[in-house]
Amino acid sequence: GQQLNQSPQSMFIQEGEDVSMNCTSSSIFNTWLWYKQDPGEGPVLLIALYKAGELTSNGRLTAQFGITRKDSFLNISASIPSDVGIYFCAGPTLGGTYKYIFGTGTRLKVLA
Amino acid sequence: EPEVTQTPSHQVTQMGQEVILRCVPISNHLYFYWYRQILGQKVEFLVSFYNNEISEKSEIFDDQFSVERPDGSNFTLKIRSTKLEDSAMYFCASSEFRQMVAFGSGTRLTVV
Repeated sequence: GQQLNQSPQSMFIQEGEDVSMNCTSSSIFNTWLWYKQDPGEGPVLLIALYKAGELTSNGRLTAQFGITRKDSFLNISASIPSDVGIYFCAGPTLGGTYKYIFGTGTRLKVLA
Repeated sequence: EPEVTQTPSHQVTQMGQEVILRCVPISNHLYFYWYRQILGQKVEFLVSFYNNEISEKSEIFDDQFSVERPDGSNFTLKIRSTKLEDSAMYFCASSEFRQMVAFGSGTRLTVV
């Protein structure tokens, strides 16, 4: 079935650094969603992408919908300690279904 | 800002007991979902619900699970006879259109 793989699995960065993570699949997606999850909380939607090639920003976050529709990237500029958490990509399965699958997650740790 | 609310935040139950997890989706949303996340793992789709019926369900959502929208505001997940492996965070989500937007903060279910 469709799967979403995220890399890196985890990363430590210094405060102020830029961060880049990606999400890839062997199959096409027509929507990409990026979520952040804090410990003990539900995922919070950061950015939604609906068109191939689309580049969307939300404050210090920028995400892109890959041209091939098989990948997406999330960048965080000038990271701060509250960026710590797990970042998930998600997308709907093909065929117009209501089922969304989630990626494996990227755990971000920011060193002050 | 409207949000999805879930109760209880934490439930402990004996193996074999029935549990009902409750959710109040955002009021103008039409699509409702249940997801679960076993500790340290990715978020997994359980079921989606639209127009008072199940739209899609995963292989996890077997006969011990059921969902209901008993009135105009609540959306419930019932697990009939809990097993140890049902211990997880259960997230309710809702969206106005198919693009999933809002998650609740989850119910942590512990089966002992």
